Amino acid sequence: AQTVTQSQPEMSVQEAETVTLSCTYDTSESNYYLFWYKQPPSRQMILVIRQEAYKQQNATENRFSVNFQKAAKSFSLKISDSQLGDTAMYFCAFMKPREGGANSKLTFGKGITLSVRP
Amino acid sequence: EAQVTQNPRYLITVTGKKLTVTCSQNMNHEYMSWYRQDPGLGLRQIYYSMNVEVTDKGDVPEGYKVSRKEKRNFPLILESPSPNQTSLYFCASRPFSGVLSEQFFGPGTRLTVL
Repeated sequence: AQTVTQSQPEMSVQEAETVTLSCTYDTSESNYYLFWYKQPPSRQMILVIRQEAYKQQNATENRFSVNFQKAAKSFSLKISDSQLGDTAMYFCAFMKPREGGANSKLTFGKGITLSVRP
Repeated sequence: EAQVTQNPRYLITVTGKKLTVTCSQNMNHEYMSWYRQDPGLGLRQIYYSMNVEVTDKGDVPEGYKVSRKEKRNFPLILESPSPNQTSLYFCASRPFSGVLSEQFFGPGTRLTVL
């Protein structure tokens, strides 16, 4: 079974600064997908960024980028130019490839609460 | 607007009183799923459905039932709720097409069982 570990329960960053959220995972699969989700106080789950394991290039979405280290099974999220609206809980998630009728289950980490200070 | 809706958004009930949380999506997605979110545990899958009349257990199915009689609806049923089912519940859906198609989440249902 896959596991996702987010060891930092909370982090804080000054507005406009850069912060990195850590995530490690364990799997025996060679191909898989990794995600970061944001959950603001509204509780809505919002997809921030996704990475396909077979792609060497790290994914980037505007101020959000990942550092994907496949051998180390590490998938960290970097938020540049932090904004007050980035204050939220962030979840790292893993998904196996969907083959045939396979379950598209997301395996989530425990989450990290990020606070952006003005 | 493409969305997943859940009702109710908030529910306080008592032990043993049957309840249903509805989930509906308007995107014609084949795959639907229920998760529960608990502090320190992240989100865990309860049940999922590949299509109409096709459902299966996720990681934490005990105490829950589901049905998929129509493609758009995937209700979560608690026949005899207990306090350990107090949680935040999310419904999600995605299409089968597209290897990495996004999962769309509903707004969540906060359930308290007294």
